[in-house]
Amino acid sequence: RKEVEQDPGPFNVPEGATVAFNCTYSNSASQSFFWYRQDCRKEPKLLMSVYSSGNEDGRFTAQLNRASQYISLLIRDSKLSDSATYLCVVNKRTGNMLTFGGGTRLMVKP
Amino acid sequence: NAGVTQTPKFQVLKTGQSMTLQCAQDMNHNSMYWYRQDPGMGLRLIYYSASEGTTDKGEVPNGYNVSRLNKREFSLRLESAAPSQTSVYFCASSEVRGPFYEQYFGPGTRLTVT
Repeated sequence: RKEVEQDPGPFNVPEGATVAFNCTYSNSASQSFFWYRQDCRKEPKLLMSVYSSGNEDGRFTAQLNRASQYISLLIRDSKLSDSATYLCVVNKRTGNMLTFGGGTRLMVKP
Repeated sequence: NAGVTQTPKFQVLKTGQSMTLQCAQDMNHNSMYWYRQDPGMGLRLIYYSASEGTTDKGEVPNGYNVSRLNKREFSLRLESAAPSQTSVYFCASSEVRGPFYEQYFGPGTRLTVT
């Protein structure tokens, strides 16, 4: 079983739609959680950290459920520019090592 | 402020050839990393360096060696390339601040081994 699992998609949604991705992780000792965005043939970039109480950044909302060991990302009012692959990322252990999920591909269409 | 830079951007090797991928960061970060990314596999950690003078194996170190030349530079060497090492290689750096920290990635090196 992979340490971090994501539905690879693609999720095809129209502009303006709301879309949600989930991610599950296997290590219950994981402490930090993130969503990274990766555009086609580019490097990953941090989208947002995920806090225990959930957090919002503009149209993006991240939630953490430690009991069920899953993380979610909600995107409201999707834009064409949101088309990308979204990587769920979990810290492997105390310190600065991360484990990446395989990514969920989002395609927003006009 | 260039962030993380990598050279070369593209490389084609024949099986058995060797090469070194170069990475440098100008953000004064202590920690640096090498990942490989294959379709459907996500990024997998090859080696990392928590600070200058230290290196440790990650998830997939076989067939690779690294050198932390100084605080800025972290190189990855393939001694005898194999087709299984065809991949996109990313270098990253970070500074740990509490439990949340960002890893900054270079643009990647696309390597094909024939």
